[in-house]
Amino acid sequence: DSGVTQTPKHLITATGQRVTLRCSPRSGDLSVYWYQQSLDQGLQFLIQYYNGEERAKGNILERFSAQQFPDLHSELNLSSLELGDSALYFCASSPSDLYEQYFGPGTRLTVT
Amino acid sequence: DAKTTQPPSMDCAEGRAANLPCNHSTISGNEYVYWYRQIHSQGPQYIIHGLKNNETNEMASLIITEDRKSSTLILPHATLRDTAVYYCIVRASGGGADGLTFGKGTHLIIQP
Repeated sequence: DSGVTQTPKHLITATGQRVTLRCSPRSGDLSVYWYQQSLDQGLQFLIQYYNGEERAKGNILERFSAQQFPDLHSELNLSSLELGDSALYFCASSPSDLYEQYFGPGTRLTVT
Repeated sequence: DAKTTQPPSMDCAEGRAANLPCNHSTISGNEYVYWYRQIHSQGPQYIIHGLKNNETNEMASLIITEDRKSSTLILPHATLRDTAVYYCIVRASGGGADGLTFGKGTHLIIQP
């Protein structure tokens, strides 16, 4: 158990819909990272927040957005969902940029 | 971050040492070598990291060559639960404001 929690574990929704994935980092960790893992693309970095501020962007689509709240939990919002958005979404946390990242168990999103 | 090269798959007998190689010939002086693993669809798990000295923790040992162009992750007594995809990642000190870049990794299969 990494100490990072993600909800929900599974999510099934239809194309065009919007969903929100939630992540609670390890106690004391200020950085939160979001990753997407699909069969064809592998594990890809989406976005990072540090203490409430966006820190870095990776391969995140414009239809996707995220935020980190004052209590340091983070949400990843996916809108206008397409079949190709079906994937595992992982959240990771670390004390800061300097340290190793600890990953949550992931949310499996299925878009039908 | 420097590019890494790993064999796509390896087998190891249960109870034996598993030695996973990684080439990172373009590594810079301020870049660390990190190892993560992912057990089937679970969140990636941090294993170990190092700069130039060999490192050991409760999970594994990391041997980095003197020229730092390659490294080996050693699982001293592999068990069936060590079957996973192992990722070697090179990352600058301080990490930088960025996520981890995962390649295809090595699929290690522990045989009973």
